[in-house]
Amino acid sequence: GAGVSQSPSNKVTEKGKDVELRCDPISGHTALYWYRQSLGQGLEFLIYFQGNSAPDKSGLPSDRFSAERTGGSVSTLTIQRTQQEDSAVYLCASTRNHRGGDRDQETQYFGPGTRLLVL
Amino acid sequence: GEDVEQSLFLSVREGDSSVINCTYTDSSSTYLYWYKQEPGAGLQLLTYIFSNMDMKQDQRLTVLLNKKDKHLSLRIADTQTGDSAIYFCAESSTGGYNKLIFGAGTRLAVHP
Repeated sequence: GAGVSQSPSNKVTEKGKDVELRCDPISGHTALYWYRQSLGQGLEFLIYFQGNSAPDKSGLPSDRFSAERTGGSVSTLTIQRTQQEDSAVYLCASTRNHRGGDRDQETQYFGPGTRLLVL
Repeated sequence: GEDVEQSLFLSVREGDSSVINCTYTDSSSTYLYWYKQEPGAGLQLLTYIFSNMDMKQDQRLTVLLNKKDKHLSLRIADTQTGDSAIYFCAESSTGGYNKLIFGAGTRLAVHP
């Protein structure tokens, strides 16, 4: 089946504007993760969803960042009043299950990312 | 806290072996992973190793885990130009779900 998809693939915005990034996980995957990859950096965890709830939002950098997931499927990451330091690639991953399943159920499958540039 | 470190750059000649090293801090990590990222693409899971193993081989890839030193390595045999990419080491966090802690990535350049 189809992999994780993300849209848009690229987004250029002006400082102070709001942006919405979308993630469409693999069908049937219950867990969803958002990560951020800044230039020359590794991936930084942002938020984790199990179904529609977010048990761990500890990685969100500020209250300008929020995310939701509806119907246990699509997730939207919203950045309000964007700043230049928000420029990064935002990656989404999904897994069939949370920890406790077999290794295949816990393997994270990543989307291609959204490259965000804030001018 | 949890931290993963990698060297940032490795250059090898085509046909040689590449060894990418990683150190981590969370001794309770259950699994350790290697991901590959090609330009403009998302992350592709290459391989993983369970923390009670010390070696895993998968075709051209060999993963070595030294749990005492918290050191993980990825060896790519007969490196090809198509192996040029950024390689990320990651550990699974403690807790009830599989949050991954990534290193900054090692850029592998393969030259003729």
